[in-house]
Amino acid sequence: TQLLEQSPQFLSIQEGENLTVYCNSSSVFSSLQWYRQEPGEGPVLLVTVVTGGEVKKLKRLTFQFGDARKDSSLHITAAQPGDTGLYLCAARRSGNTPLVFGKGTRLSVIA
Amino acid sequence: ETGVTQTPRHLVMGMTNKKSLKCEQHLGHNAMYWYKQSAKKPLELMFVYSLEERVENNSVPSRFSPECPNSSHLFLHLHTLQPEDSALYLCASSQVSGLTGGYTFGSGTRLTVV
Repeated sequence: TQLLEQSPQFLSIQEGENLTVYCNSSSVFSSLQWYRQEPGEGPVLLVTVVTGGEVKKLKRLTFQFGDARKDSSLHITAAQPGDTGLYLCAARRSGNTPLVFGKGTRLSVIA
Repeated sequence: ETGVTQTPRHLVMGMTNKKSLKCEQHLGHNAMYWYKQSAKKPLELMFVYSLEERVENNSVPSRFSPECPNSSHLFLHLHTLQPEDSALYLCASSQVSGLTGGYTFGSGTRLTVV
């Protein structure tokens, strides 16, 4: 059983479109992070959310942590080719336990 | 040099070879990790070192042997690997404090076992 379920697995959209990807679990987490990984590189941290219901914005990216701290979403407005990559969510159950990762959503933005 | 550096970037080895992967971080972090990334699977945590002590070994086969000589360096020694061990091996570091510590990853070593 996958601890963190990410959907969709693959997404291909045109430049300028909006999109939302999801990270769901039946477990409660103390914190959740989103990373983006480009081909040939390691994942890069985008954001950390800690409080249930928290919303954070990073330019055209909006991250939300569910009220029950079991799920999260990432919304991208007016996607650009530079947004192409693998988006990974990762979470901790408590304290300093190591991060657990989802399988990721592979996003392709076509110019 | 800053960040997390992994060498080599690519490695092809036979099943009877012995090789080592190297990871170096210049961020002053006190925890380091090895993850395995395979197609269609989530990142799999292999080993965790916190304050230079191994705190987690996620049922990894003994053909993988980690070494952490100091807080800035981490190695993964490989011997008698199997073709299914082919994957991207990622090293990461973090500061062990609080709930919000993010990981800084290296670019990975793409390993192919033939």
